[in-house]
Amino acid sequence: EVQLVESGGGLVKPGGSLRLSCAASGITFTNAWMNWVRQAPGKGLEWVGRIISKSSGGTTNYAAPVTDRFTISRDDSKNTLYLQMNSLTTEDTAVYFCATEYYFYFNVWGKGTTVTVSS
Amino acid sequence: QSVLTQPPSVSGAPGQRVTISCTGSFSNIGAGYDVHWYQQVPGTAPRLLIYGSSNRPSGVPDRFSGSKSGTSASLAITGLQAEDEADYYCQSYDNSLSGSLFGGGTKLTVL
Repeated sequence: EVQLVESGGGLVKPGGSLRLSCAASGITFTNAWMNWVRQAPGKGLEWVGRIISKSSGGTTNYAAPVTDRFTISRDDSKNTLYLQMNSLTTEDTAVYFCATEYYFYFNVWGKGTTVTVSS
Repeated sequence: QSVLTQPPSVSGAPGQRVTISCTGSFSNIGAGYDVHWYQQVPGTAPRLLIYGSSNRPSGVPDRFSGSKSGTSASLAITGLQAEDEADYYCQSYDNSLSGSLFGGGTKLTVL
């Protein structure tokens, strides 16, 4: 069974940093294209960014609100995806989901981890 | 501006048919990218409902169907059931963003 488990969420002050992890099992992670999607309280889904497989180039893309502040990386030896978040603002408060991407759609989702940015 | 527009809410009685629209532009749906749909019960992770504009993953009832035309797409739900009450999101790839785009979401209420 394919499973994605996010961790690393918590309470952080504005301007602070946080690193989220997403541990994958049941898939060949090396070949997986991975995404982060977030959902602010009471709001809709917002795509954050993506990293494609190393065999496909390993490139990353980000949504405009997080470009230059967030960095997505992967450790294929650990089957783990990361989201490094810097210069956090209250607008970044959300549940963060990781998801596998297959032909531009998200077929497997984790349960999410909550990030709260507050003083 | 790259956006996917959905109605904020739709409703229907049990057994009825409802549709949810998703309107995009020439940088996403109109560029030929497929539309995908997700169902989300509040407090849980989204679930893939329709992929490739009209395909259902295994386990999704055939009461759910999707279509796409031009710069728009729609999700149809027939034989509404109480368990269908949830939020529904469309999603597509946008070549001007070099990334994915979600619609604002539609809350389905089963009366």
